[in-house]
Amino acid sequence: GAGVSQSPSNKVTEKGKDVELRCDPISGHTALYWYRQSLGQGLEFLIYFQGNSAPDKSGLPSDRFSAERTGGSVSTLTIQRTQQEDSAVYLCASSSSPAPYTQYFGPGTRLTVL
Amino acid sequence: AQSVTQLDSHVSVSEGTPVLLRCNYSSSYSPSLFWYVQHPNKGLQLLLKYTSAATLVKGINGFEAEFKKSETSFHLTKPSAHMSDAAEYFCVVPRAQTGANNLFFGTGTRLTVIP
Repeated sequence: GAGVSQSPSNKVTEKGKDVELRCDPISGHTALYWYRQSLGQGLEFLIYFQGNSAPDKSGLPSDRFSAERTGGSVSTLTIQRTQQEDSAVYLCASSSSPAPYTQYFGPGTRLTVL
Repeated sequence: AQSVTQLDSHVSVSEGTPVLLRCNYSSSYSPSLFWYVQHPNKGLQLLLKYTSAATLVKGINGFEAEFKKSETSFHLTKPSAHMSDAAEYFCVVPRAQTGANNLFFGTGTRLTVIP
């Protein structure tokens, strides 16, 4: 079956612009996660959605970052007023349950802020 | 919160020789543990996971890992390296025992396989 998909695969933007990154989880997966992978920070958790519960935003690095999940499926990560330090690969993952079940990762979106 | 430490940032082995990638965990209880692999320009793929059912866990592509509580270790091994094993490997633990299980990733070990 289809895995987690993310779009765009690459995004180049200018400092100060807003960007939106999209994630389509595996159908039927109730849990969705966003992570960021960068050279200086490694892989770090950003935000987690589980069903209709309030998201866990504890990993968001600043208030310029936000995410939403519409209809319990597709999610969009928005970065406002991008900075050069936002350059990274943004990874989305989904799982069938919030317990320590396997998370399936998408290929990521490589964001470059000039 | 739980965490893991990967002891080597880079490991280099010859093709056909054993692979050992080391990981130590920090936890007040017996955690779930995972190994993920990331090939160049590809997404993260689960290699194997430990969830307390058995201390020796077998994964894909001939990899296995042994959970050792006395040593707080979860090292990844493979008897014979293949060129296709060259990748970045991450030892991973859920941050919390219950509820949201956002993952804590180790810093990664880059495996190079020499022909």
